[in-house]
Amino acid sequence: SAVISQKPSRDICQRGTSLTIQCQVDSQVTMMFWYRQQPGQSLTLIATANQGSEATYESGFVIDKFPISRPNLTFSTLTVSNMSPEDSSIYLCSVEAGANYGYTFGSGTRLTVV
Amino acid sequence: DAKTTQPPSMDCAEGRAANLPCNHSTISGNEYVYWYRQIHSQGPQYIIHGLKNNETNEMASLITTEDRKSSTLILPHATLRDTAVYYCIVRVALSGYALNFGKGTSLLVTP
Repeated sequence: SAVISQKPSRDICQRGTSLTIQCQVDSQVTMMFWYRQQPGQSLTLIATANQGSEATYESGFVIDKFPISRPNLTFSTLTVSNMSPEDSSIYLCSVEAGANYGYTFGSGTRLTVV
Repeated sequence: DAKTTQPPSMDCAEGRAANLPCNHSTISGNEYVYWYRQIHSQGPQYIIHGLKNNETNEMASLITTEDRKSSTLILPHATLRDTAVYYCIVRVALSGYALNFGKGTSLLVTP
């Protein structure tokens, strides 16, 4: 199944700044998915990133706040822009790992905004 | 995707079988049941999935009722490392669609 390298694993950022999270996959995948997990909560889908086209955002998430790049079939970035303490969460990327493996997830980026 | 209902928390003694239930009474004929778990501070991990037959792999067994309205994930010999949040997700097996996570069941395995 696919293996994802996600970085950074954690960061502490000042409010008003931006952080870019990277996910590198060891195989080519069509779709990459970005999730947010707020403290004590389940995972919420932010957007779906398809190589060669604009990402599709879920209700409540906008491109200006969470711009996504998908330059090729193995890489994607999510930027959390103009951060506030409410953005403190774990951010995860995910890809489909094949019919018998379900979905694979990155190890997550734990973001704290102060 | 069909709605699922799971108990918020369960306990299990180490070495015993952990049986985690999931209700999905509105499941459609082409929807699969997927199970994932998330150990603290890690990304979710795929466990098993199935359509209507019982399934078993090296991690767990998935037992589905004949009417498919509920299922049970069985960890046959729970260890302390199985302490995690377990998510039951029902969805069609179409490529290109994300998983929608509910609240899951927080399983605590005790010595």
